[in-house]
Parts: sequence; structure tokens; C-alpha cells
Amino acid sequence: DAGVIQSPRHEVTEMGQEVTLRCKPISGHNSLFWYRQTMMRGLELLIYFNNNVPIDDSGMPEDRFSAKMPNASFSTLKIQPSEPRDSAVYFCASSSRRQGKSKNIQYFGAGTRLSVL
Amino acid sequence: GDSVTQMEGPVTLSEEAFLTINCTYTATGYPSLFWYVQYPGEGLQLLLKATKADDKGSNKGFEATYRKETTSFHLEKGSVQVSDSAVYFCALSNWGKLQFGAGTQVVVTP
Repeated sequence: DAGVIQSPRHEVTEMGQEVTLRCKPISGHNSLFWYRQTMMRGLELLIYFNNNVPIDDSGMPEDRFSAKMPNASFSTLKIQPSEPRDSAVYFCASSSRRQGKSKNIQYFGAGTRLSVL
Repeated sequence: GDSVTQMEGPVTLSEEAFLTINCTYTATGYPSLFWYVQYPGEGLQLLLKATKADDKGSNKGFEATYRKETTSFHLEKGSVQVSDSAVYFCALSNWGKLQFGAGTQVVVTP
């Protein structure tokens, strides 16, 4: 299995621009999570989906952030407009809620390092 | 709400030294407990897990025991290698969501 795939790996943009981060979860997984990692705040859960439906978006910092999961194999996290304080590493993770040894174990992608100038 | 507290780093050790990273938690119900490891420039990887009290998780020479009476899940390794240099995260899971500690950076020198 290819694991969780995120793109791009690095993104540099200017303040005010729209940024779209992409994630392909592990095939067969039915939960997907978006995290943000910064030195100051550590790892923060932004939003998660079960069966493509957003369940908890209480971690989304503000209305500039939005996330979608149009199907089981693709999700996006969009920031519009972006600000310098959004600079961070954004991780996507997926897990399976089905019974088995791997139930609820989250598998992380390599992350997208976002720099907003 | 649920929370995880782990010792601050960095922890600097010589190769073959004994490593302990303390982790305590606060949670309702009966969470599962995890240790994840993050190598430079990479995402988090599951290191080990325990799903109920007194379970011991182990992997790659690392061990941690789920202690409900002390609400702890300390990570140990008897003899570290330079390749163990990384950031280690303790986490708990309730209802499928992970709550992470702040992470502990471990630096192992030759």
C-alpha cells in the first residue's frame, strides 16, 4: 500500500492567495483527519471525516479554512485568503473504524509544509 | 476534556543509554494509548499501542505499559541507537479521535 499521500510537499505563497492542500487516504479507510503542526501549538486536529462526512470541525481556526471530502479517496483543505500565521506543516491521516488489529490506528502522510510570505 | 502530558525535551543521551519518556493522561472512559514517532521531515508513525489497562505495547525495543491506577503510559528503551533520534508523541484515543501530547525530542549521540 502506498500509504497516505499528500500534495504538494512544500508550498510557498504570498499573503492573500488561496492555498489548496490535497490528501489521498489509504484505500479502504473510512476516517480522515487533518492536523496542523507548529512549534508554538504542537499538533492540532483541524477536522475529521467519517465516511466522507465532516464529524467535528471545531479545530478549524476560522472561516478562511474549509475542508471537503467529495469521495472516499480524496480530500482537500483550503485556506482563502492565506495569512503568514497559517505557516505550518499540515498533515493528513486516515484510519479504519472496522474491527481488527488496525482499528482506529491513524496513519499519517508526510505532510505539506506551507509558508505564507 | 481529555489531555496528555509528557516530559519536555530535548532529551540528550549517549548511544546504548537507557531511555524513559514520561507520559500521563486525563480521560473519561477507557481510552486506547499510543506512542507515535516523528523522524525529521516525515509524518508521524505509530510506534506502539495499548488498548486496555495492564496491556504492554512493544516494538523495535521500545515498551510502554498502560497503567490505569497512575494514568500513565511511560515509554522505555533499554539501549538507544543514534537512529532513535526523533520526536516522540504520546497520545490517547477516545471515539476515534487522537489527543496528542506536546512531543519530546530525543537526541542520541555516538
